[in-house]
Amino acid sequence: QKEVEQNSGPLSVPEGAIASLNCTYSDRGSQSFFWYRQYSGKSPELIMFIYSNGDKEDGRFTAQLNKASQYVSLLIRDSQPSDSATYLCAVNGAGGFKTIFGAGTRLFVKA
Amino acid sequence: GAGVSQSPSNKVTEKGKDVELRCDPISGHTALYWYRQRLGQGLEFLIYFQGNSAPDKSGLPSDRFSAERTGESVSTLTIQRTQQEDSAVYLCASSLELAGSDEQFFGPGTRLTVL
Repeated sequence: QKEVEQNSGPLSVPEGAIASLNCTYSDRGSQSFFWYRQYSGKSPELIMFIYSNGDKEDGRFTAQLNKASQYVSLLIRDSQPSDSATYLCAVNGAGGFKTIFGAGTRLFVKA
Repeated sequence: GAGVSQSPSNKVTEKGKDVELRCDPISGHTALYWYRQRLGQGLEFLIYFQGNSAPDKSGLPSDRFSAERTGESVSTLTIQRTQQEDSAVYLCASSLELAGSDEQFFGPGTRLTVL
């Protein structure tokens, strides 16, 4: 079982819709959870981080964490073509400081 | 500098040659990561440095790969006897705090092509 799993996609949504990106992780003791965005040919950049169960909102982005289900998601409201990118879920485990990345989900927002 | 820098930005080498990739992290960042990203794939963890602790080398794919870091500054990733499957973008990232719970700042990467 992979430590951090994401659907590779591609996920295609129309402009203005809500895009929902999901991630599951295997280490039940994980403490920190991150969403990075990576445009084609560019390096990843942090969008959101979340440490506590529940929702965390930042502009059009909402991160949701459910530690009991070992599940973290990212919602993008009012999706724009400029949101088209690969979204990487990352988890920091309790056993050490190393952060583990998922393989990423490719998102296409159609104008 | 303002961010993580890597050099060279592109490297083309012949199979069997050794290559050395360099990463300059953000000043003061104690943690440094190396990742490999093949075309269209996710990030593959290679090695992790944290302060003066022994590095986590669990991601290195073979003994042809090695990395060093001088204190909390520059790191070099060395690939010996390169193979075509080593062709990828090699990304370096640094992070500020000891807990590893902080944001990783990525460099622009080195694109390695092994002919």
